Parts: sequence; structure tokens; C-alpha cells
Amino acid sequence: QQQVKQSPQSLIVQKGGISIINCAYENTAFDYFPWYQQFPGKGPALLIAIRPDVSEKKEGRFTISFNKSAKQFSLHIMDSQPGDSATYFCAASSRGGSNYKLTFGKGTLLTVNP
Amino acid sequence: DADVTQTPRNRITKTGKRIMLECSQTKGHDRMYWYRQDPGLGLRLIYYSFDVKDINKGEISDGYSVSRQAQAKFSLSLESAIPNQTALYFCATSEATGTDTQYFGPGTRLTVL
Repeated sequence: QQQVKQSPQSLIVQKGGISIINCAYENTAFDYFPWYQQFPGKGPALLIAIRPDVSEKKEGRFTISFNKSAKQFSLHIMDSQPGDSATYFCAASSRGGSNYKLTFGKGTLLTVNP
Repeated sequence: DADVTQTPRNRITKTGKRIMLECSQTKGHDRMYWYRQDPGLGLRLIYYSFDVKDINKGEISDGYSVSRQAQAKFSLSLESAIPNQTALYFCATSEATGTDTQYFGPGTRLTVL
């Protein structure tokens, strides 16, 4: 059972364009939604995260939009740059109880052409 | 120096061999995790440990075992490796309280022939 569905699987964007990656979740107990960025040969690293008490969070060129009623959240990369080329993973977790762990989407390979 | 280190970085082994992947961290975190990454399948949790005395199975623990030797060390073992365990393996750590951020190591690329 895939609890976090991510799309698209791959994305090609021109330099300066907007990259949009979408995720949908099923478990209404999820209350933390991070995005991780992974460059080739490296481990994933936290990029930006949001909690469901806000609908949007922006950090520089990266924005998370969150729609609680639709159980969807998305990552928007404005003015995309070749250096943004990487694999992006959305994830979700629940703080319910004393035991929590991240459930990851399957990832999106983003290529930004110069 | 890296906060989360993994050894070896690359390993080629044969079917049926026992292999151990090691993870060490200098972040002082209590929580440690082992993930497996396959193309198109994302990151899947194998085992996780919230402290030295706590070990929990993740979604794909069959064929794997772990050992938490100390707060800073968490090892993953394949008792009898098989070809479909060929993958990229990541160790991660996180704090027990406060931020939920997980910090990943550089990964171990394992090939089972």
C-alpha cells in the first residue's frame, strides 16, 4: 500500500522555468510533510518542510503548497536552474504516539536544461 | 568530517554470502534508520532504532537484520545475499525530540551477483 503518491516520475524544464512536483497522501494522521533533494552520488537532504497548520511555505525559490482537504501537497521551484537538477522526494509522517517514521514518495528526477 | 558515514561505499558480492554494512554518526542522535533505494521505487525503510535498546522492523525487513552496537553505530546485515538485494543503501539519523529532519549518509552501492 503506497501511502504517498508522487508525480511526475521525471520532469524536464528549461532554465528560468517553473518546476512543479505533486504528492498525494492517504493517511489523515500525517502531520509533517518534508521534501528531500538528492544529487547523484549523495544521500538525500532536507530541502523544505511544512506542517498542516499553514497552506504555503516559501524558502527562496522553493515553495510548498499544501491542500489539507484534498490531501495533496506540491513543490514549486521558481526560476529553475541547472544546479537544481536532482531527484526530489516528498515524504510524510505522523507524530501520533511515541513512534513515528517517514513514508517517502517514489521520487521525481528533475532535469533543468541550460 | 561527515556527520553520517557509511562503509563500504561500494561492494560487490556473490549470492549466498553474508555481508555487513556499517553506519556511524557523530551528530549525537538517538534515532537511526536503514533505507533501501531502487530506481522507480524511492526510499523504503528496512529497520529503525530509536535508542540502543530499541529495534523495529520497517516495511521491507525480510532478508535483513540489524545491530545497534552503540548510540553512534548501526549495522545492517544480509545473512545470505541474493541478487534482488542489489540496491543503494542509506543510513539516516534524527533527533529524538524537536526537529523531524533526517540526516542521510552518502550511501553504499551493493551489487549481488
